[in-house]
Amino acid sequence: EVQLLESGGGLVQPGGSLRLSCAASGFAFNSFAMSWLRQAPGKGLEWVSLINDSGSSTYYADSVRGRFTISRDNSKNTLYLQMNSLRAEDTAVYYCARVSVGATVTFDYWGQGTLVAVSS
Amino acid sequence: EIVMTQSPATLSVSPGERATLSCRASQSVGSSLAWYQQKPGQAPRLLIYGASTRATGIPARFSGVGSGTEFTLTISSLQSEDFAVYYCQQYTYWPLTFGGGTKVEIK
Repeated sequence: EVQLLESGGGLVQPGGSLRLSCAASGFAFNSFAMSWLRQAPGKGLEWVSLINDSGSSTYYADSVRGRFTISRDNSKNTLYLQMNSLRAEDTAVYYCARVSVGATVTFDYWGQGTLVAVSS
Repeated sequence: EIVMTQSPATLSVSPGERATLSCRASQSVGSSLAWYQQKPGQAPRLLIYGASTRATGIPARFSGVGSGTEFTLTISSLQSEDFAVYYCQQYTYWPLTFGGGTKVEIK
């Protein structure tokens, strides 16, 4: 059974930093691209970042580029999101998701999410 | 950035009736369009990819059509578990973008 378990969320002050983790199990982690997406309270879905299976290629939304860094440790089956210079508008539930196999960039498995609140 | 526009924002439907949801892209995305379902307090679930291919385990009452800029998700006979918010997503261009969602509520 595919499982994705996010951790690391919490309350942080504007300008602060936080690192999210996503522990994956039940599939060959090193064979799949992975992604972070977020959902602000009461709002829709926003794609944040994506990393390929080896970690050699990364992609970012304009809203986070230069502040957030996606990475992975395939030996630990874990995906990370380092978030720096956090802003109030980064407040959201952050989901990690597996990118579907094949020529699609869709998300076939999602974690339950971790809440990041940026406030003073 | 490709802007995805979903309509209507809210759709009121009786159980057993058909629901038709629309998604429009600001420029052609070919068939690179996915649909997701999200229930309150839950993560989204992939329903459709490639505009019309059902994901694993998705019931046949869910169907998708369209290409280019106009797409439709149809739920042929709404079941109680289908009342949720539905999002479309394009994956032709970076950044990946989602529509604002359509809430399907009980009439």
